[in-house]
Amino acid sequence: SQTIHQWPATLVQPVGSPLSLECTVEGTSNPNLYWYRQAAGRGLQLLFYSVGIGQISSEVPQNLSASRPQDRQFILSSKKLLLSDSGFYLCAWSVGGQGGNIQYFGAGTRLSVL
Amino acid sequence: SQQGEEDPQALSIQEGENATMNCSYKTSINNLQWYRQNSGRGLVHLILIRSNEREKHSGRLRVTLDTSKKSSSLLITASRAADTASYFCATVTGGGNKLTFGTGTQLKVEL
Repeated sequence: SQTIHQWPATLVQPVGSPLSLECTVEGTSNPNLYWYRQAAGRGLQLLFYSVGIGQISSEVPQNLSASRPQDRQFILSSKKLLLSDSGFYLCAWSVGGQGGNIQYFGAGTRLSVL
Repeated sequence: SQQGEEDPQALSIQEGENATMNCSYKTSINNLQWYRQNSGRGLVHLILIRSNEREKHSGRLRVTLDTSKKSSSLLITASRAADTASYFCATVTGGGNKLTFGTGTQLKVEL
């Protein structure tokens, strides 16, 4: 069966520090991968998605970047965090085509930038 | 940007009652999905309804879709305290690689 791992669960970082959040998927090949951010009490904002290794689509211009160095690995990064980067970050995967793009989510990372 | 707006933003009911949440969207869709999120956790897919379907059932869940009104509703029958969570609609449009989420309804089911 497929599983998705996202870590860390909680992260407190000072303003100006770098960020690296990692997400890995097991049990499937060539998944679509997604990074979302969720502000408190709000819906999900799509940040990046990837349909293959090295293929990254950015949805919102911001202080973050994403990379997909391996088929089932998706990394969210920042060189210098801003206060506004605080939030709940979620990784997800899906299989395209006939599956209708049902997405499967990780447990999330709560990022606090202080 | 948010494709969907959900109504109500918050809903509080007693165990055993039915809960209805509504979702409106703006553009033509391939399908519409409903997800559940427990506090501080990831989202879990509940049900998918395609643009050529009008109603779908899964256990205690019933979803309707009205493409002429660009709206959908999620009905949870005989609610339980364990149904307490936030519920989001999400739409798939165009090429189909992305979901656009609504703003969510916070459901609280009290004993």
